[in-house]
Amino acid sequence: DTAVSQTPKYLVTQMGNDKSIKCEQNLGHDTMYWYKQDSKKFLKIMFSYNNKELIINETVPNRFSPKSPDKAHLNLHINSLELGDSAVYFCASSQDYGGSKTQYFGPGTRLLVL
Amino acid sequence: GENVEQHPSTLSVQEGDSAVIKCTYSDSASNYFPWYKQELGKRPQLIIDIRSNVGEKKDQRIAVTLNKTAKHFSLHITETQPEDSAVYFCAAFGTYKYIFGTGTRLKVLA
Repeated sequence: DTAVSQTPKYLVTQMGNDKSIKCEQNLGHDTMYWYKQDSKKFLKIMFSYNNKELIINETVPNRFSPKSPDKAHLNLHINSLELGDSAVYFCASSQDYGGSKTQYFGPGTRLLVL
Repeated sequence: GENVEQHPSTLSVQEGDSAVIKCTYSDSASNYFPWYKQELGKRPQLIIDIRSNVGEKKDQRIAVTLNKTAKHFSLHITETQPEDSAVYFCAAFGTYKYIFGTGTRLKVLA
């Protein structure tokens, strides 16, 4: 059973396009996250949602828009893709956002913008 | 802003030797410190964690120590094996979010 799943696994697209990445967790967790991991392997938080409500928005360009239709799903839509958006995007979830809760990561989506 | 520094960025050890990775955090409110292992092309996976009311925790060959006064925490791997080769990340949970260190690429030489 996959705890945190993401689709697609790979995404190759042209600059200027709009794309979406989907994330689902079946752990019953309340909190979900999006992280960006760049070519130097730095893991940086982008967004955090708790029970469908935005908790954290970390100075991410407006071209990135997360959407949480329910607490088991957190999708990421990216408009007008730029070369610098190329990275691996990880979704994660935790029981809640109160701290001391293990985060479980999805398998990642490798985005390449040409 | 909140920051977690991690050293070294790369570490090579001979199989059977010990490896130590150190992190320093800036947010005094941080109370939870997980360590993740990320193998090539895979997701980060939790290997051990420590809470702020504990100074040390051990799980088989892996141990973590925390010095809250100095805002330091460290990962210790003993009797390293080739399968320990990966990138290791420390993290600190402060105000509603995790801040990750910059990662340490550990190579265990057979």
